[in-house]
Amino acid sequence: QVQLQQWGAGLLRPSETLSLTCAVYGGSFSGYSWSWSWIRQPPGKGLEYIGEINNSGSTNYNPSLKGRVTISLDASNNQFSLRVTSVTAADTAVYYCARQTYHDFSEFYFDYWGQGALVTVSS
Amino acid sequence: IQMTQSPSSLSASVGDRVTITCRASQSISSYLNWYQQKPGKAPKLLIYGASSLQSGVPSRFSGSGSGTDLTLTISSLQPEDFATYYCQQSYRTPWTFGQGTKVEIK
Repeated sequence: QVQLQQWGAGLLRPSETLSLTCAVYGGSFSGYSWSWSWIRQPPGKGLEYIGEINNSGSTNYNPSLKGRVTISLDASNNQFSLRVTSVTAADTAVYYCARQTYHDFSEFYFDYWGQGALVTVSS
Repeated sequence: IQMTQSPSSLSASVGDRVTITCRASQSISSYLNWYQQKPGKAPKLLIYGASSLQSGVPSRFSGSGSGTDLTLTISSLQPEDFATYYCQQSYRTPWTFGQGTKVEIK
């Protein structure tokens, strides 16, 4: 059974850098049938895709975050990480890590999720 | 691609048949996933590819449609189904979600 466990700083001041890490337990980390993603949810609101990284190290980011995002991979430790620079109050959200599966290499879906981590940006 | 769910919320009783609609701003073929989220928990995948049931998900959940209008149906609502449901298009990045439909107890 695949499990994702995430951690990182929960309280940031404006202009600081958000940093979260997600560890993957169980299953295969380095397969080519999935990628590793970050999704966030502001309090009381809906879900927003942040970006993803595949096991070749290729990344895809949501343009809405305007170049502030970096997702990296540490395959030796079955972990991946998120950095968001220059945070503002608008970045306050629960951040989820998730595995995205490529079903038959044509369908994509998030089938395993971390427990979520609330990050609050406040001065 | 903008995803719009309707209704935003609904009240229903145990045993009711419930239908939630997701409308895409452009055709997404059948590249649509549905998730269930309970308070304080991560979303859970229910349906992928518009109509394929994720392993372990009860058969009372079903998905249908293609193009711009797709639906999630719960054939007989159970107490554990009261939650918020989200659609997500997987046609083109950036992947986008609907705003959610909250299913409440009547």
